Amino acid sequence: AQTVTQSQPEMSVQEAETVTLSCTYDTSENNYYLFWYKQPPSRQMILVIRQEAYKQQNATENRFSVNFQKAAKSFSLKISDSQLGDTAMYFCAFMKQSGSRLTFGEGTQLTVNP
Amino acid sequence: NAGVMQNPRHLVRRRGQEARLRCSPMKGHSHVYWYRQLPEEGLKFMVYLQKENIIDESGMPKERFSAEFPKEGPSILRIQQVVRGDSAAYFCASSPVTATNYGYTFGSGTRLTVV
Repeated sequence: AQTVTQSQPEMSVQEAETVTLSCTYDTSENNYYLFWYKQPPSRQMILVIRQEAYKQQNATENRFSVNFQKAAKSFSLKISDSQLGDTAMYFCAFMKQSGSRLTFGEGTQLTVNP
Repeated sequence: NAGVMQNPRHLVRRRGQEARLRCSPMKGHSHVYWYRQLPEEGLKFMVYLQKENIIDESGMPKERFSAEFPKEGPSILRIQQVVRGDSAAYFCASSPVTATNYGYTFGSGTRLTVV
């Protein structure tokens, strides 16, 4: 079974600064997908970024980028130029290549301060 | 193009009543997934359905919970004889094919409160 661990229950950052959210996972699979989802107070789950395990290049989406370390089973999210609208709960998630279910971590509550 | 629509947004039930949660997938999506989010926790997989078929229900509690995705109409998550521990946010997601390539699109959830 897969597990996903987010060791930072809460984090805060000043507007315009950079913050990194940590995620580690455990799996015996070789091919899989990793995701970061954002859940603002509206409760909507919004896909932020995804990474295929067979790709060595780290995924980037505008101000969001990941540091994927496959050997270490680490998948951190970096948010640059933080904005007030980035305040949300962030969930790291894992999906097997052969499956359709997402396994989520417990989440990190990020607060961006003005 | 409407996203995944869930209703109701909030649902209050007394202990012992039945709760019916509805999910209309995005247009063209034939795969539906239900997740449950208990307070202060991440989302936990419950069930994966395609039209008229349950593909994976390994995350569903064995009793009182059932799900369906009929040929016509929304997917329904049904909880019979609700108890306080069923209070949670229930999320539905959909995808056009198996979701492995890009994750899926979530609805805004239904918050169930059992009083």
